[in-house]
Amino acid sequence: DTAVSQTPKYLVTQMGNDKSIKCEQNLGHDTMYWYKQDSKKFLKIMFSYNNKELIINETVPNRFSPKSPDKAHLNLHINSLELGDSAVYFCASSSGFGGPNIQYFGAGTRLSVL
Amino acid sequence: RKEVEQDPGPFNVPEGATVAFNCTYSNSASQSFFWYRQDCRKEPKLLMSVYSSGNEDGRFTAQLNRASQYISLLIRDSKLSDSATYLCVVNSYNTDKLIFGTGTRLQVFP
Repeated sequence: DTAVSQTPKYLVTQMGNDKSIKCEQNLGHDTMYWYKQDSKKFLKIMFSYNNKELIINETVPNRFSPKSPDKAHLNLHINSLELGDSAVYFCASSSGFGGPNIQYFGAGTRLSVL
Repeated sequence: RKEVEQDPGPFNVPEGATVAFNCTYSNSASQSFFWYRQDCRKEPKLLMSVYSSGNEDGRFTAQLNRASQYISLLIRDSKLSDSATYLCVVNSYNTDKLIFGTGTRLQVFP
């Protein structure tokens, strides 16, 4: 069983469209995250939720809106897609908040905006 | 200055070689330290946590020097399967933010 699963794996879309990426974890973790890895392979946190509450919101355009219907799911909706949004988006989860909690990553969603 | 800095490499080493990677971090309040491994077009996966006293896991040894804000990873007897990007990761206590270095690419050749 996949511990952290994201869908879709690949997403190719036109500028200006709205798209969503879904993430689910079956590890029973309380905390979930979205990361963006750009073309230079730099991995940067976007959002973190703990028990459905937003904990971290980095400097991300408000076109990006995370939604956590329950603690096992964290979806990412992106409005008005731009060329610069092309990247790999990783979902992750951890059992707790802060400190030495290890994060487990999904396989990533490769977003290409044309 | 980046919060976590690594030499991007690539490090090209023959099988059986010993190779070491270094990493420095800027936030002295950092409390937790990790090495993650990322294979090409895959997700990052935890390789090992790094403890103050240093720790070893098979062929892998991690060291932490808090005074110098420096973390290292030593790989002994390199295998072809060790070829990957190694990410130095630092987590500040109470923020739950993992700060990733840009990674060091290792290529082990036969």
